[in-house]
Parts: sequence; C-alpha cells; structure tokens
Amino acid sequence: DTAVSQTPKYLVTQMGNDKSIKCEQNLGHDTMYWYKQDSKKFLKIMFSYNNKELIINETVPNRFSPKSPDKAHLNLHINSLELGDSAVYFCASSRTSGGLETQYFGPGTRLLVL
Amino acid sequence: GQQVMQIPQYQHVQEGEDFTTYCNSSTTLSNIQWYKQRPGGHPVFLIQLVKSGEVKKQKRLTFQFGEAKKNSSLHITATQTTDVGTYFCAGPGITGGGNKLTFGTGTQLKVEL
Repeated sequence: DTAVSQTPKYLVTQMGNDKSIKCEQNLGHDTMYWYKQDSKKFLKIMFSYNNKELIINETVPNRFSPKSPDKAHLNLHINSLELGDSAVYFCASSRTSGGLETQYFGPGTRLLVL
Repeated sequence: GQQVMQIPQYQHVQEGEDFTTYCNSSTTLSNIQWYKQRPGGHPVFLIQLVKSGEVKKQKRLTFQFGEAKKNSSLHITATQTTDVGTYFCAGPGITGGGNKLTFGTGTQLKVEL
C-alpha cells in the first residue's frame, strides 16, 4: 500500500550505459515530478508532468528523457550515463500542479555511475 | 531565477539543546512548506504556512513565516536523537513558477547524546 514507489532502489552501472527508473503512485494525484539530490543534499526539480503532459522541464541534459504513460506512472530514462549523474533520484507526486500542494516523495533511487 | 537559501548548512547539537534553521527566499512566497528527510530516507512533509507572520507549532517544533513572506524559520526545543535529519523549506514564487516548489539548500541536523 506504498503511496509512491520507485524501482530500482539501487542502481550501479558503468559510464556510457543507458538505464531507466520507474515510478508509480497510487494516491490518485494528477501531478508527478522527478528530483535529483546530490551528495550535498541539494534537491533540484528536473521534470514535472500533469495528467501525462510535461509542464516543467528544467535545464537538464537531453540524455534524460521522462515518460508518463498515464497519470499514475512517470519513468525516467537516462542515456549515455556520466559520472556526474551519480545521485539520488526522487519521484514525487501532488494532488494538482498548484504551488500550494504538498508533495509526496518516493523512497528514492540511488544511482552510482562507475 | 528564484533562490531559497537556508542557514546553517550543518548543525551539531547535544541532545536537549535547542536548534533553529533559517530560510530566506530571493522572491516573495505565496506559502512556505517544510520537509524533513531522515538519513537514508526521503523528504516528508511537515507543515505549510500561508499567512504573513504566521506561527504554527507541532509539539517541540515551532514554525514561523516572516511578515514580508520572504523568510521562515523552524525552531526545535530540546532536541532528541529522533530529530536527526535534513530539514528543507520549500516555496513557489508569487510572480511565476507557481506550479513548482523550489527547495531550500537544507540544514543537516545531528544530535549527539
């Protein structure tokens, strides 16, 4: 009955590989997000989808491609992984896309690029 | 773009001491939210403040929103080891970016026995 789930929890891979992270929420929320948290704990938004439509696309390399097959799922595909991509990636959701909405985070995916 | 800074970045306290983290935004905020992230965990929503000068309490935690709605603080009285974690403030801007939260730089709290 986890509200926001992500797979995998850990991902260790070589530079240059392509990998995907999946996220699902069972809260019935319309809006989902991807955040990147670096080693200093800085939390930065990458993308946001509202009802399968991309509404936020921050300055992120185009090696990162999000996809939302339906409003309960938001996946992140990363091509040609680089050392600097090592971080914790959090998926989150909120009821709507408004600025007053509380965000619910998934457990995170710890990505290590070697 | 909007920036949200928190000080201090790190804080070590002895159990029983008080702790305060300060949050400052470069733009006026329509509301401020606070989140806590335990070590190895994910951010969890604590509270939201909306009104200018608003003060809210949750047991030993006191949250304040500045009169100008550009700053906020979180004060913990008599810290316990369960308070360990990183505390983030987050807020949207009034003039733009209303559909995203900008998270503060966070304050990592360690509590020693």
